[in-house]
Amino acid sequence: QSALTQPRSVSGSPGQSVTISCTGTSSAVGYYDYVSWYQQHPGKAPKLMIYDVTKRPSGVPDRFSGSKSGNTASLTISGLQAEDEADYYCCSYAGSYTWVFGGGTKVTVL
Amino acid sequence: EVQLLESGGGLVQPGGSLRLSCAASGFTFSNSAMRWVRQAPGKGLEWVSAISDSGGNTYYADSVRGRFTISRDNSKNTLYLQLNSLRAEDTAIYYCAKVSGYRFDYWGQGTLVTVSS
Repeated sequence: QSALTQPRSVSGSPGQSVTISCTGTSSAVGYYDYVSWYQQHPGKAPKLMIYDVTKRPSGVPDRFSGSKSGNTASLTISGLQAEDEADYYCCSYAGSYTWVFGGGTKVTVL
Repeated sequence: EVQLLESGGGLVQPGGSLRLSCAASGFTFSNSAMRWVRQAPGKGLEWVSAISDSGGNTYYADSVRGRFTISRDNSKNTLYLQLNSLRAEDTAIYYCAKVSGYRFDYWGQGTLVTVSS
């Protein structure tokens, strides 16, 4: 159950796009299409932003999109806004009813 | 509106025990699998445990297996996590989360567990 690998931080100016990578193994990210992404503002609970690699829950802006290639999943935020500044975590189903999270990425809006 | 409200956290000595609760409302609790996820201070999220909708199947992360026990009471719409043999490294905010498919679609606000002498 090794944690997924994410960059510690990414940054962008308002209106720009940023992409967060999430690298796992062939038995987690690479094997299952069950990658989800969570946004967490300081002192708040995580919020689901993307699930099943590419799907967006209702209410999540379409500026948020997900993708996957091999053992690496990605979250892209297009048209970056001030309220997007937060920590983002990827998560993958890892088989046998276990889940693994990434270490988290801090998104800074310059 | 889905609501999850955790309680039961606090300060406990190493080797001690606590029972966390998560009161659920706004959805059919007995039809939903549930999870516990924790977050150490300043650290990332860690999946801890899972339970099926009936409670008949339970699963644990290697780091807590044999020490923590997940359970639920569908008549009370409540999820539990019994924490035994606590260690300093168990210090964290513990979140309960509702599951839909393979995603955690709703989260509670968390309850803080501090293990210290």
